[in-house]
Amino acid sequence: GENVEQHPSTLSVQEGDSAVIKCTYSDSASNYFPWYKQELGKRPQLIIDIRSNVGEKKDQRIAVTLNKTAKHFSLHITETQPEDSAVYFCAASLGGNEKLTFGTGTRLTIIP
Amino acid sequence: GAVVSQHPSWVICKSGTSVKIECRSLDFQATTMFWYRQFPKQSLMLMATSNEGSKATYEQGVEKDKFLINHASLTLSTLTVTSAHPEDSSFYICSASGGTGIGNEQFFGPGTRLTVL
Repeated sequence: GENVEQHPSTLSVQEGDSAVIKCTYSDSASNYFPWYKQELGKRPQLIIDIRSNVGEKKDQRIAVTLNKTAKHFSLHITETQPEDSAVYFCAASLGGNEKLTFGTGTRLTIIP
Repeated sequence: GAVVSQHPSWVICKSGTSVKIECRSLDFQATTMFWYRQFPKQSLMLMATSNEGSKATYEQGVEKDKFLINHASLTLSTLTVTSAHPEDSSFYICSASGGTGIGNEQFFGPGTRLTVL
Protein backbone atom coordinates (compact mmCIF):
# COMPACT_ATOMS: atom_id res chain seq x y z
CA GLY A 1 0.00 0.00 0.00
CA GLU A 2 0.85 3.66 -0.13
CA ASN A 3 3.32 5.11 2.37
CA VAL A 4 3.70 8.86 2.85
CA GLU A 5 6.59 10.38 4.74
CA GLN A 6 6.57 14.01 5.87
CA HIS A 7 9.37 16.29 7.10
CA PRO A 8 10.05 18.13 9.28
CA SER A 9 7.87 17.13 12.20
CA THR A 10 8.19 20.60 13.72
CA LEU A 11 9.07 23.90 12.10
CA SER A 12 9.47 27.34 13.63
CA VAL A 13 9.61 30.31 11.32
CA GLN A 14 9.92 34.03 11.93
CA GLU A 15 6.83 35.95 10.91
CA GLY A 16 7.16 37.13 7.33
CA ASP A 17 9.60 34.39 6.35
CA SER A 18 8.76 31.36 4.21
CA ALA A 19 8.01 27.83 5.37
CA VAL A 20 8.55 24.65 3.36
CA ILE A 21 7.20 21.20 4.21
CA LYS A 22 8.16 18.16 2.18
CA CYS A 23 6.49 14.81 1.57
CA THR A 24 7.44 11.69 -0.32
CA TYR A 25 5.14 8.90 -1.44
CA SER A 26 5.76 5.33 -2.48
CA ASP A 27 2.99 4.39 -4.92
CA SER A 28 3.69 5.72 -8.40
CA ALA A 29 0.00 5.25 -9.25
CA SER A 30 -1.02 7.98 -6.79
CA ASN A 31 -2.27 11.02 -8.65
CA TYR A 32 -3.95 13.31 -6.13
CA PHE A 33 -2.03 15.16 -3.43
CA PRO A 34 -3.91 17.41 -1.00
CA TRP A 35 -2.53 19.45 1.88
CA TYR A 36 -4.52 20.03 5.05
CA LYS A 37 -4.26 22.48 7.92
CA GLN A 38 -5.55 21.30 11.27
CA GLU A 39 -6.00 23.42 14.34
CA LEU A 40 -6.26 21.82 17.76
CA GLY A 41 -9.48 19.88 18.17
CA LYS A 42 -10.76 20.84 14.73
CA ARG A 43 -11.31 19.06 11.44
CA PRO A 44 -8.60 19.09 8.76
CA GLN A 45 -9.10 21.91 6.28
CA LEU A 46 -8.02 21.53 2.67
CA ILE A 47 -5.69 24.40 1.83
CA ILE A 48 -4.43 23.34 -1.59
CA ASP A 49 -4.24 20.23 -3.72
CA ILE A 50 -2.49 19.14 -6.88
CA ARG A 51 -3.04 16.43 -9.40
CA SER A 52 -0.33 14.48 -11.14
CA ASN A 53 -0.79 16.17 -14.48
CA VAL A 54 0.39 19.46 -12.97
CA GLY A 55 3.83 20.34 -11.63
CA GLU A 56 2.97 23.39 -9.57
CA LYS A 57 -0.06 25.17 -8.24
CA LYS A 58 -0.31 28.45 -6.41
CA ASP A 59 -3.02 30.15 -4.39
CA GLN A 60 -1.99 33.51 -2.98
CA ARG A 61 0.67 32.81 -0.31
CA ILE A 62 0.45 29.04 -0.66
CA ALA A 63 2.01 26.90 -3.38
CA VAL A 64 2.52 23.21 -3.94
CA THR A 65 5.09 21.59 -6.21
CA LEU A 66 5.06 18.00 -7.42
CA ASN A 67 7.92 15.92 -8.81
CA LYS A 68 6.38 12.71 -10.12
CA THR A 69 9.70 11.19 -11.09
CA ALA A 70 11.12 11.57 -7.61
CA LYS A 71 7.73 10.95 -5.99
CA HIS A 72 7.82 13.96 -3.76
CA PHE A 73 5.75 17.07 -3.28
CA SER A 74 6.18 20.17 -1.18
CA LEU A 75 4.11 22.89 0.43
CA HIS A 76 5.43 26.43 0.35
CA ILE A 77 3.97 29.20 2.49
CA THR A 78 5.33 32.69 1.89
CA GLU A 79 5.01 35.81 4.05
CA THR A 80 3.98 33.73 7.02
CA GLN A 81 1.57 35.13 9.57
CA PRO A 82 0.78 34.09 13.16
CA GLU A 83 -2.52 32.56 12.01
CA ASP A 84 -0.55 30.12 9.88
CA SER A 85 0.50 28.35 13.09
CA ALA A 86 -1.13 24.89 13.02
CA VAL A 87 -0.41 21.28 12.13
CA TYR A 88 -0.12 20.60 8.42
CA PHE A 89 -0.67 17.20 6.83
CA CYS A 90 0.11 16.05 3.32
CA ALA A 91 -1.76 13.14 1.79
CA ALA A 92 -1.75 10.98 -1.32
CA SER A 93 -4.50 9.14 -3.13
CA LEU A 94 -5.21 7.24 -6.32
CA GLY A 95 -7.86 9.84 -7.02
CA GLY A 96 -11.58 9.45 -7.57
CA ASN A 97 -13.19 8.15 -4.38
CA GLU A 98 -10.08 6.33 -3.26
CA LYS A 99 -8.75 6.59 0.28
CA LEU A 100 -6.22 9.16 1.43
CA THR A 101 -2.95 8.14 3.05
CA PHE A 102 -1.74 10.89 5.36
CA GLY A 103 1.75 11.98 6.26
CA THR A 104 2.76 12.21 9.91
CA GLY A 105 2.19 15.94 10.14
CA THR A 106 4.25 19.08 10.67
CA ARG A 107 3.66 21.41 13.58
CA LEU A 108 4.32 24.90 12.22
CA THR A 109 4.89 27.73 14.66
CA ILE A 110 5.14 31.31 13.44
CA ILE A 111 7.20 33.45 15.78
CA PRO A 112 5.92 37.05 15.95
CA GLY B 1 -21.70 23.63 -0.21
CA ALA B 2 -20.18 20.20 0.55
CA VAL B 3 -20.85 20.20 4.28
CA VAL B 4 -20.36 17.15 6.47
CA SER B 5 -21.70 16.96 9.99
CA GLN B 6 -20.99 14.56 12.83
CA HIS B 7 -22.96 13.76 15.92
CA PRO B 8 -22.22 13.82 18.76
CA SER B 9 -19.29 16.22 18.92
CA TRP B 10 -18.13 14.61 22.14
CA VAL B 11 -19.18 11.65 24.24
CA ILE B 12 -18.11 10.15 27.53
CA CYS B 13 -19.07 6.56 28.27
CA LYS B 14 -18.31 3.79 30.69
CA SER B 15 -16.05 0.92 29.79
CA GLY B 16 -17.98 -1.94 28.20
CA THR B 17 -20.73 0.17 26.68
CA SER B 18 -21.31 0.87 22.99
CA VAL B 19 -21.25 4.26 21.32
CA LYS B 20 -22.70 5.26 17.95
CA ILE B 21 -21.34 8.15 15.92
CA GLU B 22 -23.23 9.56 12.95
CA CYS B 23 -21.73 11.18 9.87
CA ARG B 24 -23.99 13.05 7.46
CA SER B 25 -23.37 14.78 4.16
CA LEU B 26 -25.79 17.70 4.33
CA ASP B 27 -25.86 19.05 0.81
CA PHE B 28 -24.53 16.32 -1.43
CA GLN B 29 -24.86 12.60 -1.90
CA ALA B 30 -21.70 10.86 -0.79
CA THR B 31 -20.84 7.73 -2.72
CA THR B 32 -18.05 6.95 -0.31
CA MET B 33 -17.46 7.75 3.33
CA PHE B 34 -14.29 7.24 5.32
CA TRP B 35 -13.71 6.86 9.04
CA TYR B 36 -10.49 8.01 10.66
CA ARG B 37 -9.12 7.86 14.16
CA GLN B 38 -6.66 10.43 15.48
CA PHE B 39 -4.78 10.06 18.75
CA PRO B 40 -3.25 13.16 20.39
CA LYS B 41 -0.36 14.65 18.43
CA GLN B 42 -0.64 11.97 15.77
CA SER B 43 -1.82 11.80 12.20
CA LEU B 44 -5.18 10.67 10.89
CA MET B 45 -5.29 6.90 10.56
CA LEU B 46 -7.88 5.47 8.20
CA MET B 47 -10.04 2.84 9.88
CA ALA B 48 -12.39 1.90 7.08
CA THR B 49 -13.94 2.90 3.79
CA SER B 50 -17.65 2.50 3.26
CA ASN B 51 -19.70 2.67 0.10
CA GLU B 52 -23.44 3.11 0.22
CA GLY B 53 -25.26 -0.19 0.32
CA SER B 54 -22.21 -2.41 0.64
CA LYS B 55 -19.98 -3.71 3.41
CA ALA B 56 -17.21 -1.51 4.68
CA THR B 57 -13.59 -2.23 3.83
CA TYR B 58 -11.47 -2.19 6.96
CA GLU B 59 -7.79 -1.30 7.14
CA GLN B 60 -5.36 -3.86 8.43
CA GLY B 61 -5.41 -4.10 12.20
CA VAL B 62 -8.88 -2.60 12.64
CA GLU B 63 -11.34 -5.03 14.20
CA LYS B 64 -14.50 -5.10 12.12
CA ASP B 65 -16.50 -6.68 14.94
CA LYS B 66 -15.53 -3.91 17.32
CA PHE B 67 -15.98 -0.97 14.96
CA LEU B 68 -19.25 -1.52 13.16
CA ILE B 69 -19.85 0.67 10.15
CA ASN B 70 -23.16 1.10 8.39
CA HIS B 71 -23.61 3.20 5.27
CA ALA B 72 -27.33 2.83 4.72
CA SER B 73 -27.87 5.85 2.50
CA LEU B 74 -25.97 8.32 0.35
CA THR B 75 -26.07 10.88 3.14
CA LEU B 76 -25.53 8.86 6.31
CA SER B 77 -22.86 6.57 7.68
CA THR B 78 -22.58 5.40 11.27
CA LEU B 79 -19.68 4.06 13.30
CA THR B 80 -20.49 2.03 16.39
CA VAL B 81 -17.73 1.36 18.86
CA THR B 82 -18.81 -1.79 20.64
CA SER B 83 -17.70 -2.71 24.15
CA ALA B 84 -15.61 0.42 24.36
CA HIS B 85 -12.49 0.45 26.52
CA PRO B 86 -10.22 3.30 27.63
CA GLU B 87 -7.78 2.58 24.80
CA ASP B 88 -10.58 3.42 22.34
CA SER B 89 -10.58 6.99 23.61
CA SER B 90 -9.69 9.10 20.59
CA PHE B 91 -10.85 11.71 18.10
CA TYR B 92 -12.96 10.06 15.41
CA ILE B 93 -13.38 11.93 12.13
CA CYS B 94 -15.43 11.00 9.09
CA SER B 95 -15.11 12.29 5.57
CA ALA B 96 -17.26 12.00 2.50
CA SER B 97 -16.59 12.09 -1.21
CA GLY B 98 -18.22 11.33 -4.50
CA GLY B 99 -20.71 14.09 -4.96
CA THR B 100 -21.40 15.44 -8.42
CA GLY B 101 -18.85 18.03 -9.40
CA ILE B 102 -16.78 17.50 -6.28
CA GLY B 103 -14.04 15.47 -7.88
CA ASN B 104 -11.34 14.00 -5.72
CA GLU B 105 -11.84 16.13 -2.64
CA GLN B 106 -12.89 14.57 0.63
CA PHE B 107 -14.97 16.72 2.96
CA PHE B 108 -14.36 16.18 6.64
CA GLY B 109 -16.79 16.22 9.51
CA PRO B 110 -15.96 18.20 12.66
CA GLY B 111 -14.96 15.07 14.56
CA THR B 112 -16.22 13.28 17.66
CA ARG B 113 -14.12 13.12 20.78
CA LEU B 114 -14.73 9.83 22.57
CA THR B 115 -13.64 9.37 26.17
CA VAL B 116 -14.08 5.95 27.72
CA LEU B 117 -13.85 5.85 31.51
